[in-house]
This record gives sequence, structure tokens and C-alpha cells, in this order.
Amino acid sequence: AQSVTQPDIHITVSEGASLELRCNYSYGATPYLFWYVQSPGQGLQLLLKYFSGDTLVQGIKGFEAEFKRSQSSFNLRKPSVHWSDAAEYFCAAYPQGGSEKLVFGKGTKLTVNP
Amino acid sequence: DTGVSQDPRHKITKRGQNVTFRCDPISEHNRLYWYRQTLGQGPEFLTYFQNEAQLEKSRLLSDRFSAERPKGSFSTLEIQRTEQGDSAMYLCASSFRTDTSRYEQYFGPGTRLTVT
Repeated sequence: AQSVTQPDIHITVSEGASLELRCNYSYGATPYLFWYVQSPGQGLQLLLKYFSGDTLVQGIKGFEAEFKRSQSSFNLRKPSVHWSDAAEYFCAAYPQGGSEKLVFGKGTKLTVNP
Repeated sequence: DTGVSQDPRHKITKRGQNVTFRCDPISEHNRLYWYRQTLGQGPEFLTYFQNEAQLEKSRLLSDRFSAERPKGSFSTLEIQRTEQGDSAMYLCASSFRTDTSRYEQYFGPGTRLTVT
């Protein structure tokens, strides 16, 4: 079955430290990939997307993600975390050529220590 | 571009009552999606529309759930005879889809349903 896995339920980093959130996907072929962020009680905001081409994707708020086909991964990174980045992060995918219903991972909650 | 809007933002209802939620997509978007998110989980797909046509429904969408998009603009999601297990955040998203390209989905703020 098509699935998206986020291995880390909760990550804590210090403000100014670097961040990497992991995402792995299981699809027959490379899907379209997305990262969303959700603040408490709010909807989801799109951070970045990968459709094809350059495997390093730049997004909003200083985030980037790298697609690695060999590892079926699409990890999200930020060089220096700000306190306002504390939120829940969701990786999502839908298959190329198929239904556009997004399949989400269970999310990674990010806590930022001052 | 005012983004995707949802109404109400919060709804508390008693078990057995019917509830209806509304979603207004971004104006030029032809696709509209409904997802449900329970505590500690990622959103799960419920259904989606292209213009006014409902193209797919998840098995999560029991016969107590119905969604419409009568004029290809706003959509409503109705839950009849609510159960406590229906308590969740209901998220709406929209996108612009053509035969030759696909676009990302933009989400609204969600409607938080609590069934007591």
C-alpha cells in the first residue's frame, strides 16, 4: 500500500541549531512530495513541493528538502531554527498519474528551546 | 487571493445531531478536497470534487457523511446522526488542475468538531 512514514514523533532542538526532519515514502514509482506545517489549532501551510527536476527544493521560511530516490526519502532541513518554527510538520505525497488524494505521514512535532 | 476559508471554525454538538460545514476554495481553483484529522494523526482523505463532480470518496466516508459542491464553487460536508468518533478537525483544500499540469493543494483553517 502507498504510505508515508515520519520516523520521529517529536524532536527538540535549541534555537539557532540546525534541523532535519525525516520522511520516507513507499510507492511503486516516485510520487509528488510535499511538506506542510501546522501550528496548534490551525490548518496546514505548504512549505515546499517536489514534482521533478532538481532534487534540492527550496521553500518558504528558509526551509529546504532533498529528494533521494535511492533512499525513498524527502527530508526537510533548516540551517538555523527560530522559536517561531515550533509546530507540527507533515510530509505528504500523491502518485504521479494517479489520484491526487494526499497521503500524509503522522507528523513530527518540533519543540524549540530558547 | 483570500485563501481557503471554512465555516464554522468550531462546532460542538450532541451525539445524534446533524452538522454541516462549509468550505470556500480559492476562487480560480477547480478541485476541492475534504480531509479529516484526528488528534495526533496526519490528515486522511475523505473525498474530492472537480468542479461540481464528486470524483472519489474514501471508505472512511460512511453513509452518514455527504458532500456537495453544487455550482463548482463552495462545498458543504454534512454529517448525519453524529457519533463521538466523528470528533475531529475537518480540513478543506483546493487546487487548480489541468490535463497537463498538477498543482499543490492549499488548505483552509479547518473546522474543529466536538461531539458530546
